Parts: sequence; C-alpha cells; structure tokens
Amino acid sequence: AQSVTQPDIHITVSEGASLELRCNYSYGATPYLFWYVQSPGQGLQLLLKYFSGDTLVQGIKGFEAEFKRSQSSFNLRKPSVHWSDAAEYFCAVGAWEYGNKLVFGAGTILRVKS
Amino acid sequence: DAGVTQSPTHLIKTRGQQVTLRCSPKSGHDTVSWYQQALGQGPQFIFQYYEEEERQRGNFPDRFSGHQFPNYSSELNVNALLLGDSALYLCASSFGVNTGELFFGEGSRLTVL
Repeated sequence: AQSVTQPDIHITVSEGASLELRCNYSYGATPYLFWYVQSPGQGLQLLLKYFSGDTLVQGIKGFEAEFKRSQSSFNLRKPSVHWSDAAEYFCAVGAWEYGNKLVFGAGTILRVKS
Repeated sequence: DAGVTQSPTHLIKTRGQQVTLRCSPKSGHDTVSWYQQALGQGPQFIFQYYEEEERQRGNFPDRFSGHQFPNYSSELNVNALLLGDSALYLCASSFGVNTGELFFGEGSRLTVL
C-alpha cells in the first residue's frame, strides 16, 4: 500500500535555527516526491519536487530536500528559519503511472519562536 | 495570471443535503483534481478530470461525483451529506494528467451539521 509518514506532528524551532522535517514513504512505483506548505486558511503551495536526477533538490524560500532511496526518505531542510516559515508542511508522493494522484502525509506543524 | 479559484469559500449544510463546489483551473491548465482534507489530516485524492472525463478515482463512495466543462472548469458534487464529509475541499490543476506538479486553490470549507 502507498503511504507517507511524517513522524513529527509538531516541531518548534527558534528563529535563525536550522530545520529538518522528516518524511518516509512506501510506494510500489518509482516515486515523484513533493513538499507543500499550507498557511492557516490557505491552500497548498509547492516548495520543491523531485522527479529524477540529482537527489538534492532546491526549492523556494531557501528550502532544500534530499532523496535517499535506501532509506525511503525525503527530508526537508532549511539552514536558518524565519518567523514567516511558521505553517504546516506536507510531504507527498506520486508516480507517473498514477497521474496526478498524490498520497500525502498527515503534516508537520512548524512553530517558530523569537 | 489568475491561479486556481474555488467557490464558495465556506458553506454550511445539514445531513442528507447535496452540495456543489466549483473550481476554475490556473490559466493554461487542462486537468483538474479534487482532494478532501479533513481537520488535522493531509489531503486525500478524490478524483481527477481530463478532457471532460474522470480519469482516476480515489477511495471515495459514489456519493462523490464530478464534472469537467469544455473550458476546463470543474464541479464536485456530494450527495446525501454525512457529518464525516465536513472538510476542506481542495481543487488542484495541472497541464496534463501525468505532470505530478499540482497548483492548489485555497479550498472550500464545508461544514455538515
């Protein structure tokens, strides 16, 4: 069965500190991997995506993620968090065979303390 | 360049009623997908429309149906509403059915009493 696990429901970091959000997936096909961000009352905004090639991908707002096939992981990182990064972050997995059907994790809520 | 627009933004219905939600895709996009996001959960795929046909469907009952119009806009219909249908319904658009890169609207918040 296809699934995405985000082990951390909530994470709190200090402004300026580094951030890593974890994502593990289980998927039968060669995966596409995504990170989306959702602010309260808003839709989802794509931060970055991995389809193939270089396993370290850069996204918007200074975020990056690394695909590790051996660990079935796609962790999101940012070297220095800003207060405006406070939001909920979703990892998602898809595959060419499944069109635009993405499977999402349950999300990680990021709180930033000043 | 308008992004994905959804209407209404909020609505309240009672059990047993029917609801229609609407979505206009981002300019240049021809494929629309619908997702349900219950409180505290990630979005779940309902179905995808391309060329006015349902192309893929998630694990949702037949009470959930949809339509895509020639201008690529789409509707999601839910019949015989249950309390558990209360959720944020997200529309996502893309160019083509296999891009995997979706642009989401801000959603329609449905409350069923």
